[in-house]
Amino acid sequence: DGGITQSPKYLFRKEGQNVTLSCEQNLNHDAMYWYRQDPGQGLRLIYYSQIVNDFQKGDIAEGYSVSREKKESFPLTVTSAQKNPTAFYLCASRQNQAYEQYFGPGTRLTVT
Amino acid sequence: GESVGLHLPTLSVQEGDNSIINCAYSNSASDYFIWYKQESGKGPQFIIDIRSNMDKRQGQRVTVLLNKTVKHLSLQIAATQPGDSAVYFCAENRRGGSNYKLTFGKGTLLTVNP
Repeated sequence: DGGITQSPKYLFRKEGQNVTLSCEQNLNHDAMYWYRQDPGQGLRLIYYSQIVNDFQKGDIAEGYSVSREKKESFPLTVTSAQKNPTAFYLCASRQNQAYEQYFGPGTRLTVT
Repeated sequence: GESVGLHLPTLSVQEGDNSIINCAYSNSASDYFIWYKQESGKGPQFIIDIRSNMDKRQGQRVTVLLNKTVKHLSLQIAATQPGDSAVYFCAENRRGGSNYKLTFGKGTLLTVNP
């Protein structure tokens, strides 16, 4: 099956700990994106990558870091510097020269 | 600031009725629009898209209308079914540069009553 996978579905961490969220795609898409979704709000862009070994900050990059060492993978690290990390995190990918983004199932992160 | 938003945060319809979900955008440079459906606890699913050089586009049971004069986008769902219950949100691509980034609205919760 082709698609985007995110793991785990639910993640719990203690405040002060870094945590890495996984995103893998086998669609051969060049571009990948990380969004954060909070109740009652639209998706907000954290980071995006249009090609391997390159990525750009989105609108709310503070407290987050990413890497893009492989085309298929775009992991997101939520650091202890992120003031309010509890949220639903969504990964997406996009085929080159197309606009539509395809989303993974999401990871719900709870930090206490 | 420029934004993508929705007129109605919630919409409740009877099964079999037609549903209309609205979206206003403020950036006249946007050249592409997309509607997503998001069920509870899941990732958004692509429904239908439309480019700015079109006024209407139809899919299976769904139609998107674009009115560039008033910067308004709508999603029409025909014969709404309980499985259509979800949050629907629009997104726009703002023309310019090589960065394909979508700006998302907050969403409308559609509830279909049997």
